[in-house]
Amino acid sequence: AVVSQHPSWVICKSGTSVKIECRSLDFQATTMFWYRQFPKQSLMLMATSNEGSKATYEQGVEKDKFLINHASLTLSTLTVTSAHPEDSSFYICSARRGAQYEQYFGPGTRLTVT
Amino acid sequence: AQSVAQPEDQVNVAEGNPLTVKCTYSVSGNPYLFWYVQYPNRGLQFLLKYITGDNLVKGSYGFEAEFNKSQTSFHLKKPSALVSDSALYFCAVSSYSGNTGKLIFGQGTTLQVKP
Repeated sequence: AVVSQHPSWVICKSGTSVKIECRSLDFQATTMFWYRQFPKQSLMLMATSNEGSKATYEQGVEKDKFLINHASLTLSTLTVTSAHPEDSSFYICSARRGAQYEQYFGPGTRLTVT
Repeated sequence: AQSVAQPEDQVNVAEGNPLTVKCTYSVSGNPYLFWYVQYPNRGLQFLLKYITGDNLVKGSYGFEAEFNKSQTSFHLKKPSALVSDSALYFCAVSSYSGNTGKLIFGQGTTLQVKP
């Protein structure tokens, strides 16, 4: 099960928006997850995304800032709106294949906001 | 509340020696347990899982883990470490409450295998 992310690395200016794509390449993902990881730290779940429905955000995550769309069974997007330097981080998506328990992770996107 | 603890920030072993990376968990209901490995600037790779059945689970790259319900542990093991095993290892748990599939990750353990 392969999950891709695009771009792998992006630099943007403060106040602009950035979109990150997450694709399941060889399976249909009923559920996708978005995580944020700071250097040498664990993954923090930001939101759970189900195809065709609104994402469920974790407590403390601003849904108006981190827009998640899961338009198809193979694509979910995370848009960081009005980015600020504190949004700089490593963003990782994962996908769950059907009723399988494990998640398959993308390679991550390094976002740097200047 | 669900939680996962990895008590060691770093584990150092010599190549060819057995390795153990520790994980304990706290969850209501039956635990679903996972190990993932992360190489620098990469996403996570799935190693193995325990859902039900045999307490000893075998996974990718020669890794295995033992589920111990009484000790609420799920330690990762490998009989003979390789230098290429050096990476960051995460233990994760899900109780599948409401079937959300959410994973709770431990803080990670850096494994350093020296030649």
